[in-house]
Amino acid sequence: NAGVTQTPKFQVLKTGQSMTLQCAQDMNHNSMYWYRQDPGMGLRLIYYSASEGTTDKGEVPNGYNVSRLNKREFSLRLESAAPSQTSVYFCASSEQLTGVHYGYTFGSGTRLTVV
Amino acid sequence: AQKITQTQPGMFVQEKEAVTLDCTYDTSDPSYGLFWYKQPSSGEMIFLIYQGSYDQQNATEGRYSLNFQKARKSANLVISASQLGDSAMYFCAMRDVTTDSWGKLQFGAGTQVVVTP
Repeated sequence: NAGVTQTPKFQVLKTGQSMTLQCAQDMNHNSMYWYRQDPGMGLRLIYYSASEGTTDKGEVPNGYNVSRLNKREFSLRLESAAPSQTSVYFCASSEQLTGVHYGYTFGSGTRLTVV
Repeated sequence: AQKITQTQPGMFVQEKEAVTLDCTYDTSDPSYGLFWYKQPSSGEMIFLIYQGSYDQQNATEGRYSLNFQKARKSANLVISASQLGDSAMYFCAMRDVTTDSWGKLQFGAGTQVVVTP
């Protein structure tokens, strides 16, 4: 089925370890996003990529880096994980369909725990 | 800066009753889009309904309707005839169109809905 695929689904890291969250979409969307979800705070944007080759910071970029490898793939890297990065991470992609409506598709999420 | 406010952290509703989830927003952009998403306990984000700021009619999708009051900057979600499967977290979200070409969404904190038999 077409959509956004995130890996892994679950991960436990020790403080200071690094890891990369992978995201791929097969809908030929130009824009891709990484959000984190924390209780009581909704989803907050970490980084986004408007098109292949471009990335930009969102609301909470500190401690993260991203790579837009090609049009399909957008990865999120934690260089030195901290307990404050314990969260659920969502990747999403979008394309303008008609007018102002962007059709967003979300991945199933990655639940990350940093101990 | 955008801001989305959902003032109801949680609510209980009886099966078959209607429920209204509140959402207010703040933007200076005249062109914007409002979204509602459902997140069941399994965790995925499910798109429910969309309203554009220039849409004349309130959006409806099956049992979901959006009560859009532009002057009050309010975009409440109404779920009619609640079902047990409606138990979930519901998020209101918005994106500016004029000032943000890249489609970034800003989310509210969410409302947890529990439907009881």
